[in-house]
Amino acid sequence: DQQVKQNSPSLSVQEGRISILNCDYTNSMFDYFLWYKKYPAEGPTFLISISSIKDKNEDGRFTVFLNKSAKHLSLHIVPSQPGDSAVYFCAASVRGSTLGRLYFGRGTQLTVWP
Amino acid sequence: DAGVTQSPTHLIKTRGQQVTLRCSPKSGHDTVSWYQQALGQGPQFIFQYYEEEERQRGNFPDRFSGHQFPNYSSELNVNALLLGDSALYLCASSFSHGTLYSYEQYFGPGTRLTVT
Repeated sequence: DQQVKQNSPSLSVQEGRISILNCDYTNSMFDYFLWYKKYPAEGPTFLISISSIKDKNEDGRFTVFLNKSAKHLSLHIVPSQPGDSAVYFCAASVRGSTLGRLYFGRGTQLTVWP
Repeated sequence: DAGVTQSPTHLIKTRGQQVTLRCSPKSGHDTVSWYQQALGQGPQFIFQYYEEEERQRGNFPDRFSGHQFPNYSSELNVNALLLGDSALYLCASSFSHGTLYSYEQYFGPGTRLTVT
């Protein structure tokens, strides 16, 4: 049962434009959300996170938005750069009860072209 | 500061064999989690070790077992390998210190296991 869903397997964006990656979840107990970036032959790298008490968190070019009522979050990358081309995973956790266990989506392949 | 390291990088085994994968956590981390990433899928949680004990487990059969050593490094063992065990196995480390634990897990590069 996929509790975290990334319904777009791929996204192609021109350099300098905004990239928007989407993620939906079904478990209302999730209260902490993370985005990871993965290059080929490397492990996932932590990018940005957000707690359920917030609806937005920003770090440089990366902003994550959380809509709890819709059980939806998104990652915005502005401006997009060719080096951002990677697979992006959305992950969720339940604080307190699962001790940091992460539930991942299937990932979205982002390609940023010049 | 060394990050999470895993060995070996690649491994080819035959059905029915047993395999051991190894992981050294990031300096300062005391908790190790193992994930399986099949082709085209996201990482799936196998289990987590803290204070040399399995603290929680995902939906994986008993053929998957692990161990954590006093220096916080960890091993993942898989017995009676099946073709479906072919995947990238990822180790992630974090710190717990009792109830004060982090949610940002740091991943190693993974071990690519192929079962033929």
